[in-house]
Amino acid sequence: GAGVSQSPSNKVTEKGKDVELRCDPISGHTALYWYRQSLGQGLEFLIYFQGNSAPDKSGLPSDRFSAERTGGSVSTLTIQRTQQEDSAVYLCASSTQGEGYNEQFFGPGTRLTVL
Amino acid sequence: GNSVTQMEGPVTLSEEAFLTINCTYTATGYPSLFWYVQYPGEGLQLLLKATKADDKGSNKGFEATYRKETTSFHLEKGSVQVSDSAVYFCALISRNSGYSTLTFGKGTMLLVSP
Repeated sequence: GAGVSQSPSNKVTEKGKDVELRCDPISGHTALYWYRQSLGQGLEFLIYFQGNSAPDKSGLPSDRFSAERTGGSVSTLTIQRTQQEDSAVYLCASSTQGEGYNEQFFGPGTRLTVL
Repeated sequence: GNSVTQMEGPVTLSEEAFLTINCTYTATGYPSLFWYVQYPGEGLQLLLKATKADDKGSNKGFEATYRKETTSFHLEKGSVQVSDSAVYFCALISRNSGYSTLTFGKGTMLLVSP
């Protein structure tokens, strides 16, 4: 079946502009996660959705970052007034929900470049 | 809080050489431990995992043993191939994070030459 998909695959924007990144999780996966992969910082957790609610937003780096999920499926990560330090690969993952650990399946990522 | 430390790369080896990538962790509770691999141009994939002390995870010739006494989960392979060239990430997840948040190391690039 289809895996996690993300769009766009690449996004180049100018400093100060807003961007929206999209994630389509695996069908039936109720949990969805956003991570950021930047040079020198490795992979950092941003936010976790369980259904449409986000019980853990602790990783969002500033109030310029927000995310939503509707219909328990697609999620969008929005970055307002982008800065050069926002340049990174943004990864989305999804998993089933249940007792203990449920394997997270990752999408290919969106590479964001802020000029 | 949770953290993962892994050796910096790149690690450069010739084909058929022995590979070790070190990983140590700090976590509250009893974490599950993972190695993920990212091949060039591809997404992150789970390589292997171990959920309790002394467990050995293995896949595609790679192995790692969960060592609670040394808080380590070193990745090993007896004979690497050119196709193993990728970035390897050590990660953990713990009950106190609701099994929701993976904490990753910074990644180690492996380059294997023929």
